[in-house]
Amino acid sequence: AQSVSQHNHHVILSEAASLELGCNYSYGGTVNLFWYVQYPGQHLQLLLKYFSGDPLVKGIKGFEAEFIKSKFSFNLRKPSVQWSDTAEYFCAVKTSGTYKYIFGTGTRLKVLA
Amino acid sequence: DTAVSQTPKYLVTQMGNDKSIKCEQNLGHDTMYWYKQDSKKFLKIMFSYNNKELIINETVPNRFSPKSPDKAHLNLHINSLELGDSAVYFCASSQPGFTGELFFGEGSRLTVL
Repeated sequence: AQSVSQHNHHVILSEAASLELGCNYSYGGTVNLFWYVQYPGQHLQLLLKYFSGDPLVKGIKGFEAEFIKSKFSFNLRKPSVQWSDTAEYFCAVKTSGTYKYIFGTGTRLKVLA
Repeated sequence: DTAVSQTPKYLVTQMGNDKSIKCEQNLGHDTMYWYKQDSKKFLKIMFSYNNKELIINETVPNRFSPKSPDKAHLNLHINSLELGDSAVYFCASSQPGFTGELFFGEGSRLTVL
């Protein structure tokens, strides 16, 4: 069965620090990859997505992610975090030929002012 | 205009009661979903409908019954509520095709006492 792993469950950073959140998936075929953010008390919003082409994807709010097919990874990065980036971050995978979006367990990011 | 709207936002009820959550999307999407987010923020897919047809039915107790009267609406009815049903239930929709992302509603927080 397909699965998505997010290794960092809790991350605490100071403002201006760089961020990298890991995401690995288990599926050998074609995938569509997503990062979502959930601010406290809110719904999930799309940060960025990858489906083909340039493996370095730029999203909103200065986030980017790199798809490395050989490593089955889609890590999220931001060069300089802000206090307002405090949120839960979810990686998700959708495989071709299915309707199912599978989510990782999430990473809780806290940015200290 | 809210793209995916759910009602009610909050629901507090006693064990054993029956309750429903409604979802509507105005994005013209064909596919709609119910996800359950537990207290640890884990997102688990429950059901999906594509153009009123049930296409995903995960291992969910049969006390949960989805219903899609048309492709813009997906409701969730829960019978004989249990304490473990307490969670946030998110409705989502997506475009048909491989590359579309999920659009989430704001969630319905269910508390069973």
